[in-house]
Amino acid sequence: DGGITQSPKYLFRKEGQNVTLSCEQNLNHDAMYWYRQDPGQGLRLIYYSQIVNDFQKGDIAEGYSVSREKKESFPLTVTSAQKNPTAFYLCASSTSTGDGYTFGSGTRLTVV
Amino acid sequence: KQEVTQIPAALSVPEGENLVLNCSFTDSAIYNLQWFRQDPGKGLTSLLLIQSSQREQTSGRLNASLDKSSGRSTLYIAASQPGDSATYLCAVLPDSNYQLIWGAGTKLIIKP
Repeated sequence: DGGITQSPKYLFRKEGQNVTLSCEQNLNHDAMYWYRQDPGQGLRLIYYSQIVNDFQKGDIAEGYSVSREKKESFPLTVTSAQKNPTAFYLCASSTSTGDGYTFGSGTRLTVV
Repeated sequence: KQEVTQIPAALSVPEGENLVLNCSFTDSAIYNLQWFRQDPGKGLTSLLLIQSSQREQTSGRLNASLDKSSGRSTLYIAASQPGDSATYLCAVLPDSNYQLIWGAGTKLIIKP
């Protein structure tokens, strides 16, 4: 079955560490997205990619980095520059025209 | 700038009641509007998608309407069940780009 796989489900980061969240899709979607969700708030866009080898900053890109070397994969790195990284991170994909939005099951990141 | 608002933020009703969730948006230039469901600690599941040319969509006990001119959408849930308890999010896809604009969600609790 087609879908999006995010890993790990839970991730713990020490102060000053970089961590990478994985997102893989087999839907043949051109576009992929990373969102951050905090309690009581809507989803906020971190980065998005409309095509391989290209990506754009979203509303809250500071302290994060991404790559899109393959159509299927869009990993997100949370760097030490992100001062408040504890949150629920969601990856999504869609067609190039924004149809067929599909979400992964999320990664919960906690700073320890 | 497009803004999406969902009211109420939380709703608790007895099992069996019919209920309405509201979503409003400030710019009528949308490509589509989507309703998603999110269970605690999980990703989002697409419920209904209404194209800008449509007035409503139905899936089982769910009916979503769209009034572009007034900037409103409603999600109607018939004969509510405890399994309907979740957070419901509304999102619009603007004409001008392919990034969803999100409401903050309505947390729904159905009491047995």
